[in-house]
Amino acid sequence: SAVISQKPSRDICQRGTSLTIQCQVDSQVTMMFWYRQQPGQSLTLIATANQGSEATYESGFVIDKFPISRPNLTFSTLTVSNMSPEDSSIYLCSVVQGNNQPQHFGDGTRLSIL
Amino acid sequence: QKEVEQDPGPLSVPEGAIVSLNCTYSNSAFQYFMWYRQYSRKGPELLMYTYSSGNKEDGRFTAQVDKSSKYISLFIRDSQPSDSATYLCAMSRSNYQLIWGAGTKLIIKP
Repeated sequence: SAVISQKPSRDICQRGTSLTIQCQVDSQVTMMFWYRQQPGQSLTLIATANQGSEATYESGFVIDKFPISRPNLTFSTLTVSNMSPEDSSIYLCSVVQGNNQPQHFGDGTRLSIL
Repeated sequence: QKEVEQDPGPLSVPEGAIVSLNCTYSNSAFQYFMWYRQYSRKGPELLMYTYSSGNKEDGRFTAQVDKSSKYISLFIRDSQPSDSATYLCAMSRSNYQLIWGAGTKLIIKP
């Protein structure tokens, strides 16, 4: 399966600032997703990152808060904007390599907001 | 009622035991069924991926899907301390919009 690298692996940020998380894959993938996982909880899908067009957001998530880019078939970024302590979470990137293939995940970015 | 129900545990068993992890679901349209293992401070790692009903075996792991009962299981034979992790079930109508269980924390005692 593809090797998925996320940067940074963790960060501590100040309230009101923004952080951009990168997801790099070592091979071309058809789909990329961004998830949030609260400690001890399951995963919540934030959005599908679409190559060359606007991301598709799930209910409760908006572009102004979580802008996403996907300039090509191997790279995507998620920005967490105007952060508050409620944004403290693990942010995960996942990818699908082809039709009817399962999702594979990176190791996530652990974000803490002070 | 949640679409996918999974007992969060923790489930503690002795080394060498057979482990049974289960999820139930309510949406009969689900066709893709997955089990992921997640270690602390790591992302979910795909263990088993099944389309429709039936059994699938991979080494010490066996996944079962019973669509008539809306029930999926993951069995781990000869469990090892290194199997201690959280196990997440996920399912969907396509393989994109995943619906997740809460995850079961498994502890294998040496």
